[in-house]
Amino acid sequence: AQSVAQPEDQVNVAEGNPLTVKCTYSVSGNPYLFWYVQYPNRGLQFLLKYITGDNLVKGSYGFEAEFNKSQTSFHLKKPSALVSDSALYFCAVRDMRNDKIIFGKGTRLHILP
Amino acid sequence: DSGVTQTPKHLITATGQRVTLRCSPRSGDLSVYWYQQSLDQGLQFLIQYYNGEERAKGNILERFSAQQFPDLHSELNLSSLELGDSALYFCASSETGGFSEKLFFGSGTQLSVL
Repeated sequence: AQSVAQPEDQVNVAEGNPLTVKCTYSVSGNPYLFWYVQYPNRGLQFLLKYITGDNLVKGSYGFEAEFNKSQTSFHLKKPSALVSDSALYFCAVRDMRNDKIIFGKGTRLHILP
Repeated sequence: DSGVTQTPKHLITATGQRVTLRCSPRSGDLSVYWYQQSLDQGLQFLIQYYNGEERAKGNILERFSAQQFPDLHSELNLSSLELGDSALYFCASSETGGFSEKLFFGSGTQLSVL
């Protein structure tokens, strides 16, 4: 069955430090992987996606994500965190075989000044 | 602004009642998705429509139903409401519903069942 796991409910990072938000997935076919961000009282906003090609994809606001097929992971990263990056981050996977987009439970990122 | 409009923003109702949530997709988008967000369940996929036809179905209860109209707006109907149905309901849209497309989300409807 298709699934997405975000093992950390919350991640705390000091401003200026690198950040990583973890995501692992399980699909029966080739995955389409996405990261979205949700700010308070707002809908989700697209950050980046992996479809095929380079394992390192770059997205909005300086974020990037690394696709690792052997570890079935798609971790979100940023070299230097900003306080404004504090938000709820969702990993999502789309399985070509059943056409559903499944989201993880989300990871709350706190950037400490 | 994503271009996706959801109404109403807030809805307070009683158990056993029926409500309708409305979504207008981004101009030109043919596919609409509905999600339910709660603290314990996270973001749950309910259903997807493409150009008026149901395309994919998730964990949508039988008490819930949805449709997409010829003008492409969509409605999510929730009936026989229970306390546990209290949640934030999101609508999203994409151009054709293709696998690689990103979704554009509305700001959600906060449903409170008392």
